Amino acid sequence: KAGVTQTPRYLIKTRGQQVTLSCSPISGHRSVSWYQQTPGQGLQFLFEYFSETQRNKGNFPGRFSGRQFSNSRSEMNVSTLELGDSALYLCASSLSYTTIAKNIQYFGAGTRLSVL
Amino acid sequence: KQEVTQIPAALSVPEGENLVLNCSFTDSAIYNLQWFRQDPGKGLTSLLLIQSSQREQTSGRLNASLDKSSGRSTLYIAASQPGDSATYLCSSGGSYIPTFGRGTSLIVHP
Repeated sequence: KAGVTQTPRYLIKTRGQQVTLSCSPISGHRSVSWYQQTPGQGLQFLFEYFSETQRNKGNFPGRFSGRQFSNSRSEMNVSTLELGDSALYLCASSLSYTTIAKNIQYFGAGTRLSVL
Repeated sequence: KQEVTQIPAALSVPEGENLVLNCSFTDSAIYNLQWFRQDPGKGLTSLLLIQSSQREQTSGRLNASLDKSSGRSTLYIAASQPGDSATYLCSSGGSYIPTFGRGTSLIVHP
């Protein structure tokens, strides 16, 4: 069974550009969550999608957005990139909502974004 | 707002030692507590998940316990091996957004 796949693995962008990251969840999983990981702030929750609907959102500016398609694949978009957006962006998939007690999250390898 | 703290931040031990990693959380109204392992530059690998109704979970040399009343969870690693070297993170799940600790960086030297 294939795991969570994130593409691309590495990205280099310049300030002001926008970027789109992709996440393909484990087959049968309907929930996709996105996280940002930096040395300064650690792992922070961005948002969660379930059946194409955003269920939960962390404390990030509106430049960060996402969507989920009918096949559960998800994309995350960051517009008007800033230097501080340099981070490892992780995607996690699960069978159900993150608020379900027995719900295990499975993570992808991440996309390393560098903003110059 | 939930806050998750992990102590110690770093740990270096010789092979064969039994270890205890600590995770504390401020809001005891959690649904679950999940432990992950992260290797450098990689994603997270789920190790154990303890539901709020459970007290502990075991997998091989790993045992995780949960005490909601005191806001604590511990991850016990028996007979540590160099391959256990990684960063270990805990995450609390509840009615709020998933919240992670900053992790414990573990080095097990031969």
